Order: sequence, then structure tokens, then C-alpha cells
Amino acid sequence: ETGVTQTPRHLVMGMTNKKSLKCEQHLGHNAMYWYKQSAKKPLELMFVYNFKEQTENNSVPSRFSPECPNSSHLFLHLHTLQPEDSALYLCASSQVFGTTDTQYFGPGTRLTVL
Amino acid sequence: GESVGLHLPTLSVQEGDNSIINCAYSNSASDYFIWYKQESGKGPQFIIDIRSNMDKRQGQRVTVLLNKTVKHLSLQIAATQPGDSAVYFCAEASGGSNYKLTFGKGTLLTVNP
Repeated sequence: ETGVTQTPRHLVMGMTNKKSLKCEQHLGHNAMYWYKQSAKKPLELMFVYNFKEQTENNSVPSRFSPECPNSSHLFLHLHTLQPEDSALYLCASSQVFGTTDTQYFGPGTRLTVL
Repeated sequence: GESVGLHLPTLSVQEGDNSIINCAYSNSASDYFIWYKQESGKGPQFIIDIRSNMDKRQGQRVTVLLNKTVKHLSLQIAATQPGDSAVYFCAEASGGSNYKLTFGKGTLLTVNP
């Protein structure tokens, strides 16, 4: 185990639903990340929080809303998603953002939008 | 190497053979490179990294080679085992005090017993 947990592991939702993904890291890190992994694309960085402050938003649609209440927890709130948003959503953490500190990934949440 | 279409490149090897996985990176300013391994149902796992002031780095059963002239990175796995079966992808970064990783699409390695 990497010390990064994600729940749920699988999620199926309709386009009008609201759901949230949760990530927790037990590594004492200060940076947390959301990535999207689609079948035909490389890993795409979505959001970064460093010391609880959002430092990166890679032009992600507003139907994805991140929240970082403390350095150990990260949420991704989902609202009125589209079928093309179906993907594996990965959370990662590292000691500090912007350095070469290793990023440790969780197992991901497999999201299917109907 | 990098995917040139809709499918992941694949590499199939026999158990015990050596494997070489290639990656072409895009940014000549990149100065930090990482290889990750992703097994089915799991998140990516760090394998080895290398900085641009080196052209080779060795780990346990793995070696990374960097050729900055042609912007090419390779991962060599010695004595490949069934547990090495996974998707391998490289990542590059540049930015001084603001490193952000850019990931490649990956190569699927299958080890036949």
C-alpha cells in the first residue's frame, strides 16, 4: 500500500447526480493532487493543493469542484457530469508541490457517467 | 515507446528475459524524468528517476537511460518476472522551483511464464 486511500473505488452516476470522491493520505505530505486517467490519453493533472491552498487548476470544467479541508484529505465534488467524464480519477500526494519529491498515488476511483 | 495512435504500445517477453521500454519526451527543457509502473486495478507506482545531468541510473533490476540529444528515455528491466507485467509510463518535468509532471501514454508489458 502506498499510504494514499481513495473511496469509493467504483462509482456509477447519472448526469444529474451529485457525488463526491474522497482521498486520504497517511504520509504526512503537504501537497495533494487530482489526476484524470482516460483510456486513450496520458494522465492529466486536474488540481493541486499545497499546504491546503489550491495552486493549480488545469482548465478543469466547473462541474468538478475540489476541496481540501486539511493536508490529509482531498475531495472532488462532481455535479452534472457528462459521459466523456467517465475515467479513472487518481489522487496523489507528495511532500511539497513544485519540487521533485515523489508523488504517491492512490488506487483510483473508476467513474462511469451514464 | 509513446503511443502514436489509439492503442497502448505493447511488449511481450518471456520470463527471465530482459525488457526494454522506450519513451520519447517532448520538452527539451525537461530536466527531471521518472518511470512509473501501473498494475491492473492499482495506481501508478514510482520505479526510478533520473536528472538531466546523468545519462544512466541503476536501481534494483532496473536501469534508466537518458539520451538528451534525441530526447529519449528507456527503462531496462533485468530478468523480467511475471510480477513485472503492468503498464509502464514515463513522466518529464521542468520548471526550477515549480516542477509539474507531464506523463506519457505508457507501454503495456506482458511477461509470459
